[in-house]
Formats: sequence, C-alpha cells, structure tokens
Amino acid sequence: EAQVTQNPRYLITVTGKKLTVTCSQNMNHEYMSWYRQDPGLGLRQIYYSMNVEVTDKGDVPEGYKVSRKEKRNFPLILESPSPNQTSLYFCASSPRSGLDTQYFGPGTRLTVL
Amino acid sequence: GQQLNQSPQSMFIQEGEDVSMNCTSSSIFNTWLWYKQDPGEGPVLLIALYKAGELTSNGRLTAQFGTTRKDSFLNISASIPSDVGIYFCAGPVSGNTGKLIFGQGTTLQVKP
Repeated sequence: EAQVTQNPRYLITVTGKKLTVTCSQNMNHEYMSWYRQDPGLGLRQIYYSMNVEVTDKGDVPEGYKVSRKEKRNFPLILESPSPNQTSLYFCASSPRSGLDTQYFGPGTRLTVL
Repeated sequence: GQQLNQSPQSMFIQEGEDVSMNCTSSSIFNTWLWYKQDPGEGPVLLIALYKAGELTSNGRLTAQFGTTRKDSFLNISASIPSDVGIYFCAGPVSGNTGKLIFGQGTTLQVKP
C-alpha cells in the first residue's frame, strides 16, 4: 500500500532533550516536506527536499534540522526542543514538487514540557 | 513575506446548503491549491489551479483562480455531513515549486 509513515505518532518530552521524528514513503517520490499545524495558524512549512541530498528552508525552520540521505526517508530533528515547538507535525511527499499532489502522513503530536 | 488570508475562518451550515470560501493575498500567485483536512487526518489535495481565470470542478466542488492572480475561491454545492473539515488554500512562494505557503484554513461544520 502506498503510504507515508511517521513515528512516533505521539511524544511527550522535556525541554532540551534531543528528539527525531522519522518519516518514510514507499512511493519513490522525489519531493518531501515537513509542516507544523497550530490552531489558527494553519499549516506552516518547516523544511522541504526536492531530492536526495537537496534540502531547503520553509517558512519556519528555526529550531529544526532535516536530512535526506536516501529517497524514502526524511527525518525531522529537534536538537534542543522548547515548549513553543509543541505542535502537530505532518510529513508529506509528492512525485516531483510541492505543486503535485502531496500525500500526507498521519501526523505526530509533540508536547514539549 | 507572502501571506494567504482565508475567509471565513469558520462556517456552520445546514446540510444541503451551498458553501463559498475564499483566499486572498497581497502578492501574485501562479498556482493555487485547495486542500481538505478531515478530522484527525492529514490534508488531501482537492483541486489545483494553474491559470488566471481558470475554473475547475471536482464533483460538487468548484474552484476558481482569480483574474488578478491574488485570490482564489472554493465553492461546495449541496453540502453533506462528510464535507466537515478544514479547507486550506496554498500556493508556491515567489514561484518556488518546493516552498509552499498555506492559509490559516476555513473550518466547515455541517448540521444534518
């Protein structure tokens, strides 16, 4: 089944404790992207990747890192999480770009205490 | 930077009614995307618009690319309970096909 998977789905952590949210797609898509969703603010793009080893900043990249070492995986790294990073995070992928149909993962709800 | 403003922020309507929502920007966009997010799920693309003035339908949904290229509209006819969700408009930042900006969303509730 074609899908985007994220792990974990739920995470409660404390300020400063490094964490990684994994994202994997099995559709051989070139484009992958991370978003955060907060009430009243809609979806905001954190980072995106047009292909392997090609990553770029979205609208709100501060406090986040990503890597794209292989096509299927696009992990989101929070080196030193802070409470303002408490949010719902979505990973998405599409065949070529953000203008194609993006397939979203199920979301990761992160709480930073 | 570029921003997308959606209105209304929320709507509560009766089943069977038609719905209209819009998305505006102070900047020109060359592509408009409309997504729907069902409760507890990730967004799903409904309609993509690529040309000013374009009118595209997907079942009961119709979207239009405004002629000024600074706005877009989404209409839903004869709403049903499964139309409930959040509707987002989105577009590429400065024509960059990777970098996207989303509106804050219109939340739709449908009363059976």
